[in-house]
Amino acid sequence: EPEVTQTPSHQVTQMGQEVILRCVPISNHLYFYWYRQILGQKVEFLVSFYNNEISEKSEIFDDQFSVERPDGSNFTLKIRSTKLEDSAMYFCASERDRGFGNEQFFGPGTRLTVL
Amino acid sequence: GNSVTQMEGPVTLSEEAFLTINCTYTATGYPSLFWYVQYPGEGLQLLLKATKADDKGSNKGFEATYRKETTSFHLEKGSVQVSDSAVYFCARVDSNYQLIWGAGTKLIIKP
Repeated sequence: EPEVTQTPSHQVTQMGQEVILRCVPISNHLYFYWYRQILGQKVEFLVSFYNNEISEKSEIFDDQFSVERPDGSNFTLKIRSTKLEDSAMYFCASERDRGFGNEQFFGPGTRLTVL
Repeated sequence: GNSVTQMEGPVTLSEEAFLTINCTYTATGYPSLFWYVQYPGEGLQLLLKATKADDKGSNKGFEATYRKETTSFHLEKGSVQVSDSAVYFCARVDSNYQLIWGAGTKLIIKP
């Protein structure tokens, strides 16, 4: 069964460093998402992506964040200069189409630790 | 506002006990509703969903009914197993197709 994959599973970085989190969505899906979950808090929407551009983004997704689909398979989230408060679990999701009750399929997540 | 509220955990039950995890939502209209499950060390998996009022989603012995009168989508299972131990998230989709999540409820099943 097709699945969303994410690498790395755990990333440790120093404050101020750039990180790139990678995701490979399911191949025939068209919509891609990043969510994050700070330890002990709710899962929060960051951004959605369709047709090679951002379709929606939350207040969290400021200028320090960017997303890219550099080729036909990868979907990346870049944080330019990490802050301590960026430490969280980051989940990528993909969706075949948008519509009534369509399901977003999630990857296993990347745990980002900023020291 | 736009939110999803679910009961706080952890919920600890013995094997074969009856499970209820409450979830209520606020929204304009009738959004699709979801329960996701996160097993230890794994990602978020869709457990079940309901797309309109009075729909019942079911999977793996779990059920939830979309109740518009009470704006609720409570998760139930008649007889839980140790393997059901996980964190359960209630969520709804908003007008921008993003998921709005509850805080998650950790379920611990003891043999």
